[in-house]
Amino acid sequence: DAGVTQSPTHLIKTRGQQVTLRCSPKSGHDTVSWYQQALGQGPQFIFQYYEEEERQRGNFPDRFSGHQFPNYSSELNVNALLLGDSALYLCASSRHFSGNTIYFGEGSWLTVV
Amino acid sequence: EDKVVQSPLSLVVHEGDTVTLNCSYEVTNFRSLLWYKQEKKAPTFLFMLTSSGIEKKSGRLSSILDKKELFSILNITATQTGDSAVYLCAVNYGGATNKLIFGTGTLLAVQP
Repeated sequence: DAGVTQSPTHLIKTRGQQVTLRCSPKSGHDTVSWYQQALGQGPQFIFQYYEEEERQRGNFPDRFSGHQFPNYSSELNVNALLLGDSALYLCASSRHFSGNTIYFGEGSWLTVV
Repeated sequence: EDKVVQSPLSLVVHEGDTVTLNCSYEVTNFRSLLWYKQEKKAPTFLFMLTSSGIEKKSGRLSSILDKKELFSILNITATQTGDSAVYLCAVNYGGATNKLIFGTGTLLAVQP
C-alpha cells in the first residue's frame, strides 16, 4: 500500500520563475491538501482539493495555485517565485468528510535563489 | 484568531529521562488534535485525540487531551537518542473537512 508520494524531492529555482510540485495521495484517499513549512516553523495550510476543486484556502496569494486530477493526484504551482517561497512543501492525504488520520508525504524542498 | 501554541520550544535531555511536551489551542470547529514526529522531512503520525481524558499509548509514548482546558500533552518515557526530533501538534479544525493548524513544534534532543 503506497503512502503519499511527492516529486521532486529537491529543486532550485531563480526568482521570477515558476514551479510545479506533484503529489499522489495514499490509496483510498480522495482529498489532497498542501502545506508550506519554512525553516523552524510548523507547516502552514495553503489549500485543499477535493473532487477536482479547490475547497478551502489559507492565507496565500494567488501566485499559489493548484489542480487535482480524476485519479486524485494533485499539483501545486507557484508563479513569480520570491526568495521567501523557499520552504518545504508538504502534501497531506485524507478522506473527505472523515475524521481519520491525515498522512503526509516526504515533501519537496524548494530553494529560490 | 485560531492558534496552536507548543511549549517548550526546545529541550535537551539525557537517555532514560521522561519528557512532557505541551500543546494548547484556540480554534473554532475543533475536530481532533494530532501529534506528529518530524525527523527530516515528512511528519510521521503519532496520535489522534478526539475525546477528553482518554489516554492513547504507543510503546513509550502516550498522549491525552483536555477539551475543557484546551490542551494536550505528549509524554515520552525512557527516552532514547532515536526520539530526537521535532514534535508537532496540530488541530483539525476544518469542520466537515480536514484542515490542520500547527504549532511551531518542540525540538527534542536526547543525548547519550
